[in-house]
Amino acid sequence: DAGVIQSPRHEVTEMGQEVTLRCKPISGHDYLFWYRQTMMRGLELLIYFNNNVPIDDSGMPEDRFSAKMPNASFSTLKIQPSEPRDSAVYFCASTTGQGGNQPQHFGDGTRLSIL
Amino acid sequence: GQSLEQPSEVTAVEGAIVQINCTYQTSGFYGLSWYQQHDGGAPTFLSYNALDGLEETGRFSSFLSRSDSYGYLLLQELQMKDSASYFCAVRDGSSYKLIFGSGTRLLVRP
Repeated sequence: DAGVIQSPRHEVTEMGQEVTLRCKPISGHDYLFWYRQTMMRGLELLIYFNNNVPIDDSGMPEDRFSAKMPNASFSTLKIQPSEPRDSAVYFCASTTGQGGNQPQHFGDGTRLSIL
Repeated sequence: GQSLEQPSEVTAVEGAIVQINCTYQTSGFYGLSWYQQHDGGAPTFLSYNALDGLEETGRFSSFLSRSDSYGYLLLQELQMKDSASYFCAVRDGSSYKLIFGSGTRLLVRP
């Protein structure tokens, strides 16, 4: 079975540019999560969706960050304009809400470097 | 709010047993999970405890004591490939939002 697919795997861009990260969750999963991981702050939840609807975006750092989920198989995280402090690994994860504990399945991440 | 405490680093010898502890403070509790992350990789799910006691999955076991707000991950017969970071995580109330600890870096030496 295909896991969570993220693209691009690596992104290097200059400060001020728009960055778009993409995620395809596992088919049938109705929860999608965006995380950011840095050495200083660890693994932080940015936003999560249930059935394509944003449920909690309290972790989104500021208005420069936005996320969408236009359908059950695709989500984007956009940073505009980007800043050097946005450099991090961004993970997308998905899970199903059916049953008891359902583990989150993570994509391989996007390593973002803002110069 | 929610907070989790775990040691930052643990070192052990190949073939040995190591225990990684996690204490948590939460406003609601819906289970303690453990994830493994190798350098440059993605977190992968290891185990989950909703009730007190020990859950065993091969060489890995996880324990929970809800009255003590405490859990641990036990790794037996350590192998070099077990060198990784291990994160405990709790669900935030009734939502599916996970709060992660800062991670424990395990180094397995020959």
